[in-house]
Amino acid sequence: GESVGLHLPTLSVQEGDNSIINCAYSNSASDYFIWYKQESGKGPQFIIDIRSNMDKRQGQRVTVLLNKTVKHLSLQIAATQPGDSAVYFCAEKVGAQKLVFGQGTRLTINP
Amino acid sequence: DVKVTQSSRYLVKRTGEKVFLECVQDMDHENMFWYRQDPGLGLRLIYFSYDVKMKEKGDIPEGYSVSREKKERFSLILESASTNQTSMYLCASSLTTTEQYFGPGTRLTVT
Repeated sequence: GESVGLHLPTLSVQEGDNSIINCAYSNSASDYFIWYKQESGKGPQFIIDIRSNMDKRQGQRVTVLLNKTVKHLSLQIAATQPGDSAVYFCAEKVGAQKLVFGQGTRLTINP
Repeated sequence: DVKVTQSSRYLVKRTGEKVFLECVQDMDHENMFWYRQDPGLGLRLIYFSYDVKMKEKGDIPEGYSVSREKKERFSLILESASTNQTSMYLCASSLTTTEQYFGPGTRLTVT
C-alpha cells in the first residue's frame, strides 16, 4: 500500500536560519506531492504542492524540491520565524481524490 | 475565506453509544473528507464524498459510516463507539484534491 514517511519527527532551528524538512514517499504513480502546516489547536493548512513532472517549485519564503530518482520530497523555509513553529506534513495524491499523509515533523524555532 | 466548521471541539462519549460528528463548509465545494489524527500516525482518511449522496471508503472505514444529504454538510457516524475510536477527527473540503481546507477538529474521547 501507499506510505509516506518523514526522516525526523522533530526539528529545531534558530530564528532567522533556513529550515529543511524532509519526506520519503513510496508511490511512484503519484502525480502531486503536497505540504501542509498544522499549528497548535488548528486543522492542517495547505502550504504548497508540486506536480510530479517538476523538480522545484517556489512560494512565499518556501521552496519544495522533488527528487523522483530517490523518491524524496523536501520543504525549505527561508529565514524561519516564530510563526513557522508547527507540525509539517507531507502528502501524496493517490488516485483522483485521495491524499496519503506522512506522520509529521514538529518544527521548533529557537530565539 | 473558506470556512469549515465542526459541531464540537471536544466530545466525551461512552462505549456503545452512537456518535454523530457534523461538518459544514461554506464554499460550495464538491469534495468533503473525514480523517482521524493520532500521534505518530499522521492523518488517516476514513471516508470521503465527491457529491451529494455519494461516498467512498478511505483507508480506515471500519466502525464508521457517513452521510451527505446536502452539499455543505458531511456527517461522520460511529454506530457503536469503542475506546479505540478515541482520537482527533478532522473534516476537510476542497475543489481540488491537493488543496484541502480543514476544520479545527473534534477531540473525541470514548470511555
